[in-house]
Amino acid sequence: QVQLVESGGGLVKPGGSLRLSCAASGFSFSDEYMSWIRQAPGKGLEWISYISSSSYYINYADSVRGRFTISRDNANSSLYLQLKSLRAEDTALYFCARVRGGSYPTFDFWGPGTLVTVSS
Amino acid sequence: DIQMTQSPSTLSASVGDRVTITCRASQSISTWLAWYQQKPGKAPKLLIHKASTLESGVPSRFSGSGSGTEFTLTISGLQPDDFATYYCQRYNTYSVTFGQGTKVEIK
Repeated sequence: QVQLVESGGGLVKPGGSLRLSCAASGFSFSDEYMSWIRQAPGKGLEWISYISSSSYYINYADSVRGRFTISRDNANSSLYLQLKSLRAEDTALYFCARVRGGSYPTFDFWGPGTLVTVSS
Repeated sequence: DIQMTQSPSTLSASVGDRVTITCRASQSISTWLAWYQQKPGKAPKLLIHKASTLESGVPSRFSGSGSGTEFTLTISGLQPDDFATYYCQRYNTYSVTFGQGTKVEIK
């Protein structure tokens, strides 16, 4: 069955960096587009970034563009999100999700999330 | 950027009620709209895509309708398992926006 498991979250100071990982299994990872979505404590969902199967197409939300970098390793069925210049407002549960629909993305499988806390 | 507005923010209902949640887009999105259910401490679950297409395994009491700028999610005969927060999501070429969510509470 499809499984997505995020890791790499933790407590980081403002201005700091963190790298999140998402290990995928149960499907052909290299054929699928993937995405990161976050949810601040007690708040709604915010789409962050999207990467095509070959990494050719990448897009970011304006709130993270220039600070976050999405990447993937198809050989190891892994998705990554590099977070830099972190701010308090980046504190959230970060989900990785499989995209269904290619360039018209909906998210049919999600991981349980990894918590990032930005605080001094 | 296209904005998505859900209403109401909170809805109190009883088991067996028919419940309707509305999602409005700031400009036409055709039928590029999905609905998700999220329970506390869990990841969201995709219920409906393309405005009205039910995901496999989702109970038929859930239905979606609409096109253009106005969409609805209807739960016909609310069940105890349906008390959750529901999000709409618009999607077009490589771009996504979620609505702010509607919490369905027990009355």
